[in-house]
Amino acid sequence: GAVVSQHPSRVICKSGTSVKIECRSLDFQATTMFWYRQFPKKSLMLMATSNEGSKATYEQGVEKDKFLINHASLTLSTLTVTSAHPEDSSFYICSARDQRANYGYTFGSGTRLTVV
Amino acid sequence: AQKVTQAQTEISVVEKEDVTLDCVYETRDTTYYLFWYKQPPSGELVFLIRRNSFDEQNEISGRYSWNFQKSTSSFNFTITASQVVDSAVYFCALGGATNKLIFGTGTLLAVQP
Repeated sequence: GAVVSQHPSRVICKSGTSVKIECRSLDFQATTMFWYRQFPKKSLMLMATSNEGSKATYEQGVEKDKFLINHASLTLSTLTVTSAHPEDSSFYICSARDQRANYGYTFGSGTRLTVV
Repeated sequence: AQKVTQAQTEISVVEKEDVTLDCVYETRDTTYYLFWYKQPPSGELVFLIRRNSFDEQNEISGRYSWNFQKSTSSFNFTITASQVVDSAVYFCALGGATNKLIFGTGTLLAVQP
């Protein structure tokens, strides 16, 4: 089946630094990927839709300059948390749709970001 | 706008009991997709089932069963003979014309031995 690889699984960074999270579709091409954020004991909130070769579409309330999304190829989307602060600490999950699987959604394993 | 409501925030059952997780959705799309995912403490989302809006046939898969009722906009999930390993957060999700997948708030299921 479709596999989405997300790295790193855990990252701890200092306040003020930037962190990049990668999401790769391993065995299929993903023209669209999605980035979610999940706070402890909360639901997954869609942050943005990442479109290959074009700008990402952000959900209302998500800071574009804080969460930079790049989707330069059909198999890779990256989320960069810029100038991270403790309030950015969260669980980030990416997802991609696989046309071969009748447009099912495949999720990465998630990245737990801790900003200290 | 699309919306998914999971009214049950936490459910606790004793092993071998049956448990039903409720999901109610709202959408204006004529074609849409409903999903159930399981999220164990590790955080990874485990896909359980997908249903298309034009397929109301209910399904049983082992200990899992699903009840999709368009008339009441509900997509409930039942685990029979629950086991401790079923303990997790369960999310109902809705996808439609926008390609976005919208999640409910989740139900934390605790199965006690």
